[in-house]
Amino acid sequence: NAGVTQTPKFRVLKTGQSMTLLCAQDMNHEYMYWYRQDPGMGLRLIHYSVGEGTTAKGEVPDGYNVSRLKKQNFLLGLESAAPSQTSVYFCASSYGLWQTDTQYFGPGTRLTVL
Amino acid sequence: GDSVTQMEGPVTLSEEAFLTINCTYTATGYPSLFWYVQYPGEGLQLLLKATKADDKGSNKGFEATYRKETTSFHLEKGSVQVSDSAVYFCALSVFSSGSARQLTFGSGTQLTVLP
Repeated sequence: NAGVTQTPKFRVLKTGQSMTLLCAQDMNHEYMYWYRQDPGMGLRLIHYSVGEGTTAKGEVPDGYNVSRLKKQNFLLGLESAAPSQTSVYFCASSYGLWQTDTQYFGPGTRLTVL
Repeated sequence: GDSVTQMEGPVTLSEEAFLTINCTYTATGYPSLFWYVQYPGEGLQLLLKATKADDKGSNKGFEATYRKETTSFHLEKGSVQVSDSAVYFCALSVFSSGSARQLTFGSGTQLTVLP
């Protein structure tokens, strides 16, 4: 049981390049989330999914796209990277929507955009 | 909107010292409250949670009590260890009909415990 895994762990991009971050969970969770973590700002929600084939915008969605083609995977795409997207990206998943449900986090992807 | 305010760090303590990390919140509705911990190079892990007023969450010697009257959820530990060195995040969650439950995080407090 690996929990939540993220690929890659580190990446350096040049401005304008594109990339996809992969999140995978083996806990059969319905709900998945992408956050970014910036110094002094805690974590902010980018996009989330309430089930296979669904996606929705979070607090800071601009410049990102997501897809949930399979229940266990949640992809985060940057079509044209900008230096403002330099951050640490975390994926999370949870079993349900109840506000008491625990979100389980992956180890993070550190992205630098030059 | 919902928000979480944590005491600013970094916090440096000697081993076996008493720890308090302050957390206050504002929320519409009746939130659940969480403390997450992030060890170096790792993702966030749930440390403890409380879902209603006067509930006390506890885990690994850490405790926090949901205080509705003061809108606070301070984290405490009686005797810290070097292995407790990490970043601690306070967070809240309020369910909104028709949308996923979203966590609102504080900015995090870096704790360093010296031997």
